[in-house]
Amino acid sequence: DAGVIQSPRHEVTEMGQEVTLRCKPISGHDYLFWYRQTMMRGLELLIYFNNNVPIDDSGMPEDRFSAKMPNASFSTLKIQPSEPRDSAVYFCASSLGPLETDTQYFGPGTRLTVL
Amino acid sequence: AQSVTQLGSHVSVSEGALVLLRCNYSSSVPPYLFWYVQYPNQGLQLLLKYTTGATLVKGINGFEAEFKKSETSFHLTKPSAHMSDAAEYFCAVSTLGANSKLTFGKGITLSVRP
Repeated sequence: DAGVIQSPRHEVTEMGQEVTLRCKPISGHDYLFWYRQTMMRGLELLIYFNNNVPIDDSGMPEDRFSAKMPNASFSTLKIQPSEPRDSAVYFCASSLGPLETDTQYFGPGTRLTVL
Repeated sequence: AQSVTQLGSHVSVSEGALVLLRCNYSSSVPPYLFWYVQYPNQGLQLLLKYTTGATLVKGINGFEAEFKKSETSFHLTKPSAHMSDAAEYFCAVSTLGANSKLTFGKGITLSVRP
């Protein structure tokens, strides 16, 4: 398997623009996670899905952030409008089973810079 | 609520020396504990995890960790550091129950000197 695939790997945009990050989980994995990593706050869980259904979005910072999973092989994280404080590395991860005990497999991340 | 404390942000060891990365957790219920490693410009990958059973857990690349409930600790060790071990290491905790999530520590950067 190719592992978790994320695109783009790097994104540079200007404040106010819409940004869409994409993720393809490992085939057969039922759970998908979106994380944000910054120097100040470390690694934070934004939202996770089970069988394409959002289970916990309490980590989504505000209404500017939204995530969807239209099918088992694709998810998007959208920021609209983007702000400089959204600059971070965004990781997508997937797992076969529950987050409490199962190994999460991380993608390479998308480095987002908002000018 | 659960939390993880990784004291310090950087550890430097000589090649061949013992690696010890500390992790303490806080949880009101039995925890599940993980160590993940992140190499530069890559995503995290699992080193080892404790869910139930034996408290000494062996992982990949010669790493191991011991769950000590009395000390609320899950320190990561490796007897002999290799240059390829240079990376960032994250301890994480989760628990069963409503609103459970995997909570990561701030991470520790390990440098290995030749």
